[in-house]
Amino acid sequence: EAQVTQNPRYLITVTGKKLTVTCSQNMNHEYMSWYRQDPGLGLRQIYYSMNVEVTDKGDVPEGYKVSRKEKRNFPLILESPSPNQTSLYFCASSPQGVSGQPQHFGDGTRLSIL
Amino acid sequence: AQKITQTQPGMFVQEKEAVTLDCTYDTSDPSYGLFWYKQPSSGEMIFLIYQGSYDQQNATEGRYSLNFQKARKSANLVISASQLGDSAMYFCAMREASNSGGSNYKLTFGKGTLLTVNP
Repeated sequence: EAQVTQNPRYLITVTGKKLTVTCSQNMNHEYMSWYRQDPGLGLRQIYYSMNVEVTDKGDVPEGYKVSRKEKRNFPLILESPSPNQTSLYFCASSPQGVSGQPQHFGDGTRLSIL
Repeated sequence: AQKITQTQPGMFVQEKEAVTLDCTYDTSDPSYGLFWYKQPSSGEMIFLIYQGSYDQQNATEGRYSLNFQKARKSANLVISASQLGDSAMYFCAMREASNSGGSNYKLTFGKGTLLTVNP
């Protein structure tokens, strides 16, 4: 089954404790992206990657890091989480160069930073 | 200025009736795509329908259709014969071809419309 898998689905942690949210897709997509969703703000892009070893900032990259060492994986790293990073996070992927292809989203990761 | 505007924070519809969810957009890019996603209370994002800026006909997918009025920059979602399972948050999103020289397929989302289907 074609899917984007995020882990964990839920996490409660404390300020300053490094955490990683993993994202893996099995559709051989070149493009991957991270979004955060906050009430009243919709989804906003954090980082994106066009292919292995190619990443770039989205609209709200502060406090986050990403890496793309393999095509299927695109982890989101919070080196020193703070309460304002409490949010619902989505990883998404799509093929490159096909305009009508939707982005496939993972089921989301709900992070609470105390 | 907001790129995607969904003016209806919440909508109610009776089961089996049709409902229209509004979406207006703002872009100077001649090439763009418009997407609608559904987010049920369980949280996942489900793709519903796509309309390209150069598409001549309005998109349809089962009970979903998109009323695309390019000159007015609107892309309203029409759900026919509403079902209880249609109760969810609905997001309109746009992808502009010119983002980062064409290398970023970023979706810009509206704030969403919460649809409630009443029995």
